[in-house]
Amino acid sequence: ETGVTQTPRHLVMGMTNKKSLKCEQHLGHNAMYWYKQSAKKPLELMFVYNFKEQTENNSVPSRFSPECPNSSHLFLHLHTLQPEDSALYLCASSQDRAGTWEAQETQYFGPGTRLLVL
Amino acid sequence: SQKIEQNSEALNIQEGKTATLTCNYTNYSPAYLQWYRQDPGRGPVFLLLIRENEKEKRKERLKVTFDTTLKQSLFHITASQPADSATYLCAPRRGSGTYKYIFGTGTRLKVLA
Repeated sequence: ETGVTQTPRHLVMGMTNKKSLKCEQHLGHNAMYWYKQSAKKPLELMFVYNFKEQTENNSVPSRFSPECPNSSHLFLHLHTLQPEDSALYLCASSQDRAGTWEAQETQYFGPGTRLLVL
Repeated sequence: SQKIEQNSEALNIQEGKTATLTCNYTNYSPAYLQWYRQDPGRGPVFLLLIRENEKEKRKERLKVTFDTTLKQSLFHITASQPADSATYLCAPRRGSGTYKYIFGTGTRLKVLA
């Protein structure tokens, strides 16, 4: 295991539902990320948090709302999603400010949440 | 716009041979580049990172090259094994000041016993 857990692993929701994805890292990292991975498409960076502050929002629609209450936890709140939002949502973490240079750049990914929007 | 290209076709090779995967990028100059492995239903796992001033980097049976003139990185697995079968992702990144990682679509490698 990588030290990054995600729940749930699978989620089916209707377009009017509200749900949340949870990510937790046990590595003492200070940076956390949400990525979206669709079939036949590359990983797309969605949001970045560093020391609980959002440092990047990659033009993500407002129906996706991230929350980072502390450096170990990251949430992605979902509401009124569209079928094209169906994808694998991956959380990752990294150690931004300490350790070796390579350690700072290495991202540790969780197993992902497979989301299906009906 | 920045673009990353990896072989979209799956690569099948015989066990024991060397697998070579290609990553080409256009319209920017990454300060370094990472390679990840992804198994079905799992998140990517970091393998190697190479900087723009490094031509080659090795880790056990893995070797990565980085040619900033050709705008290309090659990823080699020597003495390949069936357990090496997975999708390999290339991720060039810009220098400090941004967290923008740009991933390729990945190349699926299958090592035949």
